[in-house]
Order: sequence, then structure tokens, then C-alpha cells
Amino acid sequence: KQEVTQIPAALSVPEGENLVLNCSFTDSAIYNLQWFRQDPGKGLTSLLLIQSSQREQTSGRLNASLDKSSGRSTLYIAASQPGDSATYLCAVRGSGGSNYKLTFGKGTLLTVNP
Amino acid sequence: ETGVTQSPTHLIKTRGQQVTLRCSSQSGHNTVSWYQQALGQGPQFIFQYYREEENGRGNFPPRFSGLQFPNYSSELNVNALELDDSALYLCASSLDSAYNEQFFGPGTRLTVL
Repeated sequence: KQEVTQIPAALSVPEGENLVLNCSFTDSAIYNLQWFRQDPGKGLTSLLLIQSSQREQTSGRLNASLDKSSGRSTLYIAASQPGDSATYLCAVRGSGGSNYKLTFGKGTLLTVNP
Repeated sequence: ETGVTQSPTHLIKTRGQQVTLRCSSQSGHNTVSWYQQALGQGPQFIFQYYREEENGRGNFPPRFSGLQFPNYSSELNVNALELDDSALYLCASSLDSAYNEQFFGPGTRLTVL
């Protein structure tokens, strides 16, 4: 059974700092990994999708890496801004018989202070 | 291109009642997945529909059922509501294969009293 863990559970940083969010998963047989952002009480906004054959993806100030063999992914946020404050969720799509679903971590609550 | 929409936004029910939640998939998408997100938790997979057939199911009891229509919109039905069913229900749509990105709607907040 796939399990996804995100560390830390919460993070508070001053504006302008670069930061890294961590995600680990127990079963390396995945199709892809997706990072999402969730504002309080809202739906999920997809940030980056990394296929299992890829090592990283970049979008603006965001960079996500994937090391499938070790079951780890990181989301790097450069020059953080107060508007980046949200919960960040990592999710993996299993391969084979479980490829229809995403398995999520509990998320990292990020607060960027002005 | 229209994104994923869900209705209603909020809903309050009492224990034992039944509820129907609705989702319209993003234009061109034929696959809809439903997730339940309890407070402080990550979303949990309920089931997925692909071209009107259930394509996979998570660890939820049979009182959680669904439907997908020819236009690929979908419904989630929950019978005999329990207090623990209180959660944010998220719908996601995608196109076909497992390689494709899932796009989520804004969710329906269900409160069971």
C-alpha cells in the first residue's frame, strides 16, 4: 500500500527566503508525481507534474525534483512571497493496477511573513 | 476552456439523510475522480469513472456511489449519512491515461449534524 509523507507539517518563513518542501513515498512504482497548492477551504491547484521518467520540472519560481528510486521529491520555492502562503500537497499516481488514483500526503502548511 | 465546476458549494445535512453532489468535468476530459478530504488531512480517493463506467474504487463503503453521464459530468451519492462524512468533497477530471494531469474543482463542503 502506497504511503506518502510530507515534512515538515508546517513552515513559517520571512518574505524573500528560498525554501524546500519534502515529500517521500513508500512504493517507487509510480507513473507520476504531482504537487498541488490548496488555499484554506478551497480546491486544489496543480503546480507541477513530473512523469516517472523525468528528474525535475520548473514553473516560474517553483522547481520540483523527483528521485524515484529513493522515493523522494522536493518542491523548491525561490524568493518566497506572502501570496505563497497556503498548504502544499504532494500526490503520486501508482503504476499497474492502481494507476487510476492519486495518493496524497497530508500537506505542508506554509506561512510567508511580510 | 471551462475548468472543473462543482455544486453545491456548501451543504448541511443531518445524520441518516442522503446527499447528491455534482461535478462538471473540464472540456474534453472523459475521466472523473472523486476524493474526500477531512479537516487537516490529505484527500482520500473514493472512486473514478471513465466513459460512464466505474474504473477503480478506494476504501469506502457501498453507501458511497456514483454516476457518470454521456457528457462526462458526474454525481457522487452518499446514503445514510454519518457524522464522519463531514468533509470537503473534491472532483477531478483528466483525459484518458494515467500519464495525464488531474485538474480539481473547488469542492463541496458537506457538514453532517
